[in-house]
Amino acid sequence: DIVMTQSPDSLAVSLGERATINCKSSQRVLNSSNNKNFLAWYQQKPGQPPKLLIYWASTRESGVPDRFSGSGSGTDFTFTISSLQAEDVAVYYCQQYYRTPYTFGQGTKLEIK
Amino acid sequence: EVQLVESGGDLVQPGGSLRLSCAASGFTFSSYTMHWVRQAPGKGLEYVSAISGNGDSTYYANSVKGRFTISRDNSKNTLYLQMGSLRDEDMAVYYCGRGQIGTLLALMDVWGQGTTVTVSS
Repeated sequence: DIVMTQSPDSLAVSLGERATINCKSSQRVLNSSNNKNFLAWYQQKPGQPPKLLIYWASTRESGVPDRFSGSGSGTDFTFTISSLQAEDVAVYYCQQYYRTPYTFGQGTKLEIK
Repeated sequence: EVQLVESGGDLVQPGGSLRLSCAASGFTFSSYTMHWVRQAPGKGLEYVSAISGNGDSTYYANSVKGRFTISRDNSKNTLYLQMGSLRDEDMAVYYCGRGQIGTLLALMDVWGQGTTVTVSS
């Protein structure tokens, strides 16, 4: 199984500041034939279902504000919120959809400092 | 509006059975692979199962293989998860998610609100 490990487990950032979450996969999730990383980022607010923010490691889902971005390749990925807003308080998950069993990171809880 | 609405969650005894449903609207249901993902209380997300648009292909996580059955009725725009031999560790909120067209890849762009399964005697 591909193990997804996020860091940190929790993060407190001031409003307007940058928030960065890392995700490391135990195996490469890069498909060399199409050069795509099969890596997604989801946001889950309390009492709500997950919401897709980023896919193919760096493609923003339609309607997602451009303060959210993703980067990385192979086994190391980063999710960034460039300027934290109050409504961004949530748990963020990375997920690989490269190989079954599809797996999620343990989640990173983002709070306001 | 694209929407998924789960139902069927309930309190069930260990060893019991339950069928979850996920009603879809606002898109061509039969074209899309559909998925189930669960979340135990206070825990992270765990991938459960997938079914192709025409129902011919399915996938199960090892933790539910042989106990759960995913199915769909495209005439009713509804996805199902038949759960059997339920264990304490199956207790969770179960989400259905819309996947992609033509592939079982678990990239889920629409999620339902979830339905809660409680396993307890």
